[in-house]
Amino acid sequence: QKEVEQNSGPLSVPEGAIASLNCTYSDRGSQSFFWYRQYSGKSPELIMSIYSNGDKEDGRFTAQLNKASQYVSLLIRDSQPSDSATYLCAVQGPSGGYNKLIFGAGTRLAVHP
Amino acid sequence: DAEITQSPRHKITETGRQVTLACHQTWNHNNMFWYRQDLGHGLRLIHYSYGVHDTNKGEVSDGYSVSRSNTEDLPLTLESAASSQTSVYFCASSAQGATEAFFGQGTRLTVV
Repeated sequence: QKEVEQNSGPLSVPEGAIASLNCTYSDRGSQSFFWYRQYSGKSPELIMSIYSNGDKEDGRFTAQLNKASQYVSLLIRDSQPSDSATYLCAVQGPSGGYNKLIFGAGTRLAVHP
Repeated sequence: DAEITQSPRHKITETGRQVTLACHQTWNHNNMFWYRQDLGHGLRLIHYSYGVHDTNKGEVSDGYSVSRSNTEDLPLTLESAASSQTSVYFCASSAQGATEAFFGQGTRLTVV
């Protein structure tokens, strides 16, 4: 079992719709959770971090964490073509060290006009 | 401004040669990471370091080594390059604790 799992997609949504990206993780002791966005040929960049159960909102982005279900999600409201990218879920926790950052394989999002 | 830089950006090498990829950060971060990225696999952790003289193996460490002699640099060495090591390599750094990791621009390595 992979430590962090994501559906590879592509996830295709129309412009203006809500895009929902999901991630599950295996290490129950994980404590910090991140969503990175990566445009083709570019480096990953952090868009959201979440540390406690519940929702965290930042502009059009909402991260949701459920530690009991070992599940993290990212909602993108009013999706724009510029949101088309690969979204990487990353988990940080005690397995191997508190600062070790493990990534999922990423979900490719395509927003079409 | 603080930054993290990788060099070279592109490298072509022959099978069996030793290759070193450089990573230099000016954030003064304790944590540094090397990942490789291949289609369908996302970012896979090769090696990581929590400070000077500290190095740890990640999930795909075979055939790679690192050393940390100062805070700023974590070079990645491929002892004997293999075609299976053709990939895009990313270096990242982060401060102590649960904080954002910053990535370099990546190095595209081709082993022929």
